[in-house]
Amino acid sequence: AQKVTQAQTEISVVEKEDVTLDCVYETRDTTYYLFWYKQPPSGELVFLIRRNSFDEQNEISGRYSWNFQKSTSSFNFTITASQVVDSAVYFCALITTSGTYKYIFGTGTRLKVLA
Amino acid sequence: NAGVTQTPKFQVLKTGQSMTLQCAQDMNHEYMSWYRQDPGMGLRLIHYSVGAGITDQGEVPNGYNVSRSTTEDFPLRLLSAAPSQTSVYFCASSYEGQAHTGELFFGEGSRLTVL
Repeated sequence: AQKVTQAQTEISVVEKEDVTLDCVYETRDTTYYLFWYKQPPSGELVFLIRRNSFDEQNEISGRYSWNFQKSTSSFNFTITASQVVDSAVYFCALITTSGTYKYIFGTGTRLKVLA
Repeated sequence: NAGVTQTPKFQVLKTGQSMTLQCAQDMNHEYMSWYRQDPGMGLRLIHYSVGAGITDQGEVPNGYNVSRSTTEDFPLRLLSAAPSQTSVYFCASSYEGQAHTGELFFGEGSRLTVL
């Protein structure tokens, strides 16, 4: 069975603080893809990143960075110098190439960045 | 480029009524899917399709029907609405060849209330 756990339901930080959102996944498949999506208060879902299971290199995009560790089955997301516009719900998701074609989402982490 | 278009954006139903949520995409994506989003539950897969004429059940399919007669359209039908189906519904599509593991492109969502 596949599962994605986002244990942090809600996080509040003060603007300019760094914050890490945790994502732990479970799968027996060796080939899979992990994703992060952002859902701002307006409600739309915005794609942030897709990473395959064979690429453990960390990725940085501006203030965003992602740490993928197969040893701990984690794909954590860090926002550096957070801004109020980062306030949103963030979802981690998983899909494998086993042929089930089912994207599995975590329950999301609500991030509140206070001015 | 419209992307994924969902209609209606808001709908109020009475228990027992039927309705169809429409979803259309203009990106020639083979994979299309429906999710429901409930507080604290994340995004849960209702039904998905990997191409015209092919549909399959997701995590929470009961009470919903789908069909895929064309690549572009993937309507979600509620045959007899129940208050438990009050939710926000998202349609999404993706392309990654036959592996169907690409990023999901989401519609804007449809908020359904069943009284």
